[in-house]
Amino acid sequence: DTGVSQDPRHKITKRGQNVTFRCDPISEHNRLYWYRQTLGQGPEFLTYFQNEAQLEKSRLLSDRFSAERPKGSFSTLEIQRTEQGDSAMYLCASSRGQGDSGPGYTFGSGTRLTVV
Amino acid sequence: TQLLEQSPQFLSIQEGENLTVYCNSSSVFSSLQWYRQEPGEGPVLLVTVVTGGEVKKLKRLTFQFGDARKDSSLHITAAQPGDTGLYLCAGFSGGGADGLTFGKGTHLIIQP
Repeated sequence: DTGVSQDPRHKITKRGQNVTFRCDPISEHNRLYWYRQTLGQGPEFLTYFQNEAQLEKSRLLSDRFSAERPKGSFSTLEIQRTEQGDSAMYLCASSRGQGDSGPGYTFGSGTRLTVV
Repeated sequence: TQLLEQSPQFLSIQEGENLTVYCNSSSVFSSLQWYRQEPGEGPVLLVTVVTGGEVKKLKRLTFQFGDARKDSSLHITAAQPGDTGLYLCAGFSGGGADGLTFGKGTHLIIQP
C-alpha cells in the first residue's frame, strides 16, 4: 500500500462550477476524514466516515458540500456552485480506529482548489 | 469548539540554534499529536502524547505534554535546514466521535 492517494492534485475552476475530488485511503483503515486548509492556517475538520457511514459533519460543511464513501473504501467530496471562498487545499486522511495512537492519521498530499 | 493556540506563529533561526514552540489550550485533551507539514504536502505525524507530564524524544526533537493535558511543547536541539516546515499540534478531546482539532501551526525556517 502506497499510502493515501488524492486526485486531482490541482484543480482550477470557474466560480459556479461543480467539482469532485477523490480520496483512496490505506486499505485496512476503517476511518476516513476530510479537512480543508487555507494558506497559513492549520487543517479544519470537515467530515469523517467510519466504513461507509458518515458519522460527523462540521458546520463548515455547507449544503453545497457533499461527501460519500459508498463501499467503505474510496471517498468523494463534491462542491456544488463553487465560490471563491472555497479556494483551499482539501486534505484527506485515514486511520485504523480513532487514530489517537500508533501511526495516527495518514494524510494524502491534498487537492489544491483554485476558484477563479 | 476546542481551540489550540500555537506560538510563535513564525520563527526563523540560524542552523545550530535551539528552539521551542508551544501549543496551548484551555481545554483538556485525551491525547495530543504533533505533525510536520511541507509545502504542497499533507501533514506527517511526528509523535502522540497521552499521559500528563509525558516526555518523548525523537532524535533532536523533544515533545512534552503538560501535567494537566492542556498544553504541549516541542523543543528542537541544534536545528538543521531539514527541520524547516509547518509544525502543527492537534488534539483529541476524547469520546471517540470527533476528528482531530488542529492549531494554526508554527512556520519554522532554519537558515544555513
